[in-house]
Order: sequence, then structure tokens, then C-alpha cells
Amino acid sequence: AQSVAQPEDQVNVAEGNPLTVKCTYSVSGNPYLFWYVQYPNRGLQFLLKYITGDNLVKGSYGFEAEFNKSQTSFHLKKPSALVSDSALYFCAVTYGNNRLAFGKGNQVVVIP
Amino acid sequence: GAGVSQSPSNKVTEKGKDVELRCDPISGHTALYWYRQSLGQGLEFLIYFQGNSAPDKSGLPSDRFSAERTGGSVSTLTIQRTQQEDSAVYLCASSLGSGGHEKLFFGSGTQLSVL
Repeated sequence: AQSVAQPEDQVNVAEGNPLTVKCTYSVSGNPYLFWYVQYPNRGLQFLLKYITGDNLVKGSYGFEAEFNKSQTSFHLKKPSALVSDSALYFCAVTYGNNRLAFGKGNQVVVIP
Repeated sequence: GAGVSQSPSNKVTEKGKDVELRCDPISGHTALYWYRQSLGQGLEFLIYFQGNSAPDKSGLPSDRFSAERTGGSVSTLTIQRTQQEDSAVYLCASSLGSGGHEKLFFGSGTQLSVL
């Protein structure tokens, strides 16, 4: 069965420290992978995607993610977290019939 | 419009009543998606439209749920005989195409509360 796992419910990080949000997936074939972010009282926004090519993709607001096929992972990273990065982050994968399956989401809290 | 518009933003209804949720996608976007977001449950796929047809309705949780799209634009999600477990935020998204690699643009959602 196709699935997306975001193992941590909440990620706490001090401002200025590196931020990592983990995602693993289970999809047959070659997946398209995405990260979306939901700021408080706002809709979901696209951050970045991996389709093919370079395993390291760069996105909005200084975020990047690395596709690792052998580990079936697509972790989101930011070298130096800001308080304004506090939000809910969703990993997603496209499979069959162009359905986009989302993980449960990770609450990121950046502590000043 | 500039973005995906959903109405109403909030809906409170009594158990057993029918509700209609509306989505206006970005002009020119051929694909339209409905998701449901419950606290702690992430996003649950409901249905996807390519133009006016729905190739994938398998996410609809029961036959009380239905959706249609007309003119390749506006979509309506209807929930009949609402139950308390239907309470959630219903999100609509659209994309330029349906190749699976397109990014989705989301509306702000409709918060449905069934009393």
C-alpha cells in the first residue's frame, strides 16, 4: 500500500539551529515527492518538489530536501531556523491516478 | 481569481442535515482536488477531477458524500445526512494539469462543525 510516514509529531529547534523534518515513503515505481507548509490560520503552500534529476532540491524560504531512493526518504532541511518557520509541515507523494497522498504532518516549533 | 476560493469559510450544522461546500479553482486549472483535514489525522484524499470528470472517487468515505464539477471550473462537495464524525476542515486544491508532478494550490478551507 502506498503511504507516507512522518515519524515525529513535533519538532522543536532553537532559532539559528539546523532544522530537519523527516519523511519516508512507500510507493511502487518512481514517485513524485513534495513538501507543503501550513502557517497558522493560512492555507497549505507548496515548498518544493522532487520529480527527477538532482537528489537535492531547493525550495522556498531557504528550505531544501534530499531524495534518497535506497532509504525511501525525502527529509526537509533548513540550515538555520527562524521563528517564522514555526508551522505545520506535510510531506506528500504522488502515486497511481495522480493521487497525492499526504503524511500526518509535523508541527515545527522554533524557539527564540 | 488570484487564488483558490472556498465558501463558506465556516459551516455549523445539525446532525442529519445536508451541506454543500463550494470551491472556485484558479482560472485555467484543469485539475481539482478535495481533501479533508482532521486534527491529528493529516490530509485525507476525497476525490479528484480532471475537467468535469472524476477519474478517482475512491477516497469518498461513504455514499453520503458526492461531488460534481461543472464547466471545468466550480466544484461542489455535498454531504448528505451529516454525522458528527464529518466535522473537519474540507480543503480544495487545483493544479494546472494532472500529470502528478504539478504543484497544488490550496484554498483556505471550510471548517465544518456538525452538532
